[in-house]
Amino acid sequence: AQRVTQPEKLLSVFKGAPVELKCNYSYSGSPELFWYVQYSRQRLQLLLRHISRESIKGFTADLNKGETSFHLKKPFAQEEDSAMYYCALHSHPGTASKLTFGTGTRLQVTL
Amino acid sequence: DTGVSQDPRHKITKRGQNVTFRCDPISEHNRLYWYRQTLGQGPEFLTYFQNEAQLEKSRLLSDRFSAERPKGSFSTLEIQRTEQGDSAMYLCASSSFAGGREQFFGPGTRLTVL
Repeated sequence: AQRVTQPEKLLSVFKGAPVELKCNYSYSGSPELFWYVQYSRQRLQLLLRHISRESIKGFTADLNKGETSFHLKKPFAQEEDSAMYYCALHSHPGTASKLTFGTGTRLQVTL
Repeated sequence: DTGVSQDPRHKITKRGQNVTFRCDPISEHNRLYWYRQTLGQGPEFLTYFQNEAQLEKSRLLSDRFSAERPKGSFSTLEIQRTEQGDSAMYLCASSSFAGGREQFFGPGTRLTVL
């Protein structure tokens, strides 16, 4: 069975500091990984996906199959980055099936 | 199109009552998903529709839960004989075949069972 682990419930950083939100997964096949974000009073929305290999709002994430990780990184945190971040795994590449989410990490960026 | 909508946004009910939630997906999306999220947890998959066909159900979806998407557009999720453990946020999401596997989420329906 697939599983996504986000070990930190809360990550507090100062504005301008680097950010790394950890995500590890377990899945026997070839996964597709996503990061979703939920800002205060807003709905869950896609931040980025590993197959796109793009940077969104300064965030990047690299899939490391050897370490089964998909950590989210940003070199300089901004106040507007404060939100709840969920790592998610799509377990059936090639079909449109379910996402398996981690428990989420709350990022708090302080001045 | 303003995105995925859900109704109601909040529902308070007494234990043993039945409740029904509605989800309206983005109009051109043929895939619709229901998730449940409890405090401190990420969303957990409940069920998935492609057009009107329910293609996958989680073991979380007990026989008290039923979901429909009769015309391949909006969907309803009914919970019969609600229990306090059913209290959660119920999220709906939709996606299109052409759009890949990005799922667009609604605002959710928060259910409180007293």
